[in-house]
Amino acid sequence: GAVVSQHPSWVICKSGTSVKIECRSLDFQATTMFWYRQFPKQSLMLMATSNEGSKATYEQGVEKDKFLINHASLTLSTLTVTSAHPEDSSFYICSARDVGQGDSYEQYFGPGTRLTVT
Amino acid sequence: GQNIDQPTEMTATEGAIVQINCTYQTSGFNGLFWYQQHAGEAPTFLSYNVLDGLEEKGRFSSFLSRSKGYSYLLLKELQMKDSASYLCAVRDSNYQLIWGAGTKLIIKP
Repeated sequence: GAVVSQHPSWVICKSGTSVKIECRSLDFQATTMFWYRQFPKQSLMLMATSNEGSKATYEQGVEKDKFLINHASLTLSTLTVTSAHPEDSSFYICSARDVGQGDSYEQYFGPGTRLTVT
Repeated sequence: GQNIDQPTEMTATEGAIVQINCTYQTSGFNGLFWYQQHAGEAPTFLSYNVLDGLEEKGRFSSFLSRSKGYSYLLLKELQMKDSASYLCAVRDSNYQLIWGAGTKLIIKP
C-alpha cells in the first residue's frame, strides 16, 4: 500500500526557534498533500492544503507567515513552524492523495510529528 | 455550517459488538470515511461509503444513509487492540474532508 513518511517523528525546540517537518510519499506521487494539527483529545484540524508547484491554501485562522509550507516536488512537502511558541506544541500530521488514483477517496497519512516547544 | 456529530466515548466488552454512530450536515457529499486512531499515532483508514448501504470488511462494517445524513461503524468480536478513537469524516462538495471529533472506544475484558 501507499506509504507516507514524516520526519522527524518528534522534536523539542526552544521558544522563538523554527522547526521544519518533512512529509514524503514513498511509493506514489502526490500532487496534493494536507497538513493537520491535533491537540490532545481533539480531532484533526486541517491547517492547509499543499499543491505541488503552487502556493498552499490555508484554512481560516491559520497564519501562513507562521506556518510556511513548501511543496516543491510530487513526493515532498515541508511545514516550517517559524518562531515557535509553547502554544504551537501539538501533533502535526500530513496526508497525501495519490495522483494516480484521480478522485480516489483515500488519503494516506504520515505517522505524525510531535512538536514540543519549551 | 458544516457539522459532524459522533459520541465522545463508548465502552464495550471484549468479544462483544459495538456500533458507533455518526450524523452529518455538510455542503454537499462525496463520500464518508471511518478512520481508526490509536493514541499518539496517525489515523489509519478503515472504510469508505459513497452509496447507501452496508460495506463489510472483516470484523468491521460501515453503513450509510445519505437521505438521513447518517452512518455507523460496526465492530464485531471486539478485541483489546480495538481500543482507540474512531473518526468519522465526510468529503464535501469541494472534496474537502470534514472531520468529526472522534469517538473514544474503551474495551474492557
